[in-house]
Amino acid sequence: DIQMTQSPSFLSASVGDRVTINCKASQNINRYLNWYQQKLGEAPKLLIYNANSLQTGIPSRFSGSGSGTDFTLTISSLQPEDVATYFCLQHNSWPRTFGAGTKLELK
Amino acid sequence: QVQLKESGPGLVQPSETLSLTCTVSGFSLTSYSVSWVRQPSGKGPEWMGRMWYDGDTAYNSALKSRLSISRDTSKNQVFLKMNSLQTDDTGTYYCTRDHPILRFDYWGQGVMVTVSS
Repeated sequence: DIQMTQSPSFLSASVGDRVTINCKASQNINRYLNWYQQKLGEAPKLLIYNANSLQTGIPSRFSGSGSGTDFTLTISSLQPEDVATYFCLQHNSWPRTFGAGTKLELK
Repeated sequence: QVQLKESGPGLVQPSETLSLTCTVSGFSLTSYSVSWVRQPSGKGPEWMGRMWYDGDTAYNSALKSRLSISRDTSKNQVFLKMNSLQTDDTGTYYCTRDHPILRFDYWGQGVMVTVSS
């Protein structure tokens, strides 16, 4: 199975900050990497698919980059409503595997 | 609009069988696949298995011996059955639509399952 190592596990930032979250795959997954946002008590929401494609309706402050084994989710200017847990998903190989998540809080 | 909703018991006894239902609307089970994903509290999600749009199934090898996924297209429902439950099976169970390009694009709200006597 492909292991997805996500960092950091916890992140505290201020409104307006640029925030980056990373996922590293244990082997090449090309660009088959998604990012999700999960607010407390809610269903996960797809933010980015195939490494850098913004899902419809997602604010443009969210962006994704990377290919191969190293990927980054960037929030260009953190907003209060972005407080959530973020996780990555690789869909290059079976079984699909997820990162452990990054909990983002406001400083 | 696309919706998925999980239902099932919140409490299961150790060694017993978990039965969950995912009821979907806004899309056809013969056009899209549906996956089950679970998430232990405070941990990352785990893909469990998939009901393909053509009725075939795929399972995570770690769970394959205990897991069965089926469907009733007339009722727009996908079912999960997992036997021999243990305490580390406690967590939130989700069903999610598996889009051919976007992958897990819509998720249900999840159902919390506790394995305890």
